Amino acid sequence: AQSVTQLDSHVSVSEGTPVLLRCNYSSSYSPSLFWYVQHPNKGLQLLLKYTSAATLVKGINGFEAEFKKSETSFHLTKPSAHMSDAAEYFCVVSGSNDYKLSFGAGTTVTVRA
Amino acid sequence: GAGVSQSPSNKVTEKGKDVELRCDPISGHTALYWYRQRLGQGLEFLIYFQGNSAPDKSGLPSDRFSAERTGESVSTLTIQRTQQEDSAVYLCASSFRAGSSNQPQHFGDGTRLSIL
Repeated sequence: AQSVTQLDSHVSVSEGTPVLLRCNYSSSYSPSLFWYVQHPNKGLQLLLKYTSAATLVKGINGFEAEFKKSETSFHLTKPSAHMSDAAEYFCVVSGSNDYKLSFGAGTTVTVRA
Repeated sequence: GAGVSQSPSNKVTEKGKDVELRCDPISGHTALYWYRQRLGQGLEFLIYFQGNSAPDKSGLPSDRFSAERTGESVSTLTIQRTQQEDSAVYLCASSFRAGSSNQPQHFGDGTRLSIL
């Protein structure tokens, strides 16, 4: 079985400052990991994915994440937050059958002007 | 091209009524998934369809929940004798082929279900 823990339920940053969203995972095998973003009343959009290639993964909208096996972490970062980054972010790990995803509880990001 | 389409976008119904939610996947996507998202929580897997194979129903919370899919097209999720705890957003996703982590799931905007 696999699981995901998002360490912060809410993160507030000022526009133009860095964003860090923390995620730890538990898996009995080599996982695939994803970050998704959900804007209000919308579905989830894939930001980036890790699938055992490079440990530093670059995604859309300037986001990136680093897979650290020794720390079982997959933290999401962005160097400079924009107002449009205000949303809910989910860290996700794939199951043994790949199609069954396990979602974290989500981190709400607010961006202050 | 068109994304995953779900209808209705909102549904309010009385406790005890049956509801039917619809999902139109992206054309060519063989895999289709249903999830439930309760307020302030992550997504719970409900059911998965892959082509004409038997679906994985392991996430359905009770026998009041069922889902159908004809071939690789539209899917419907049915909840019978709705209860207040069924209130949630129901999200549908599709992908080209499951079992491959290189094929991300594409999500619809969901159906927001409220049980009075």
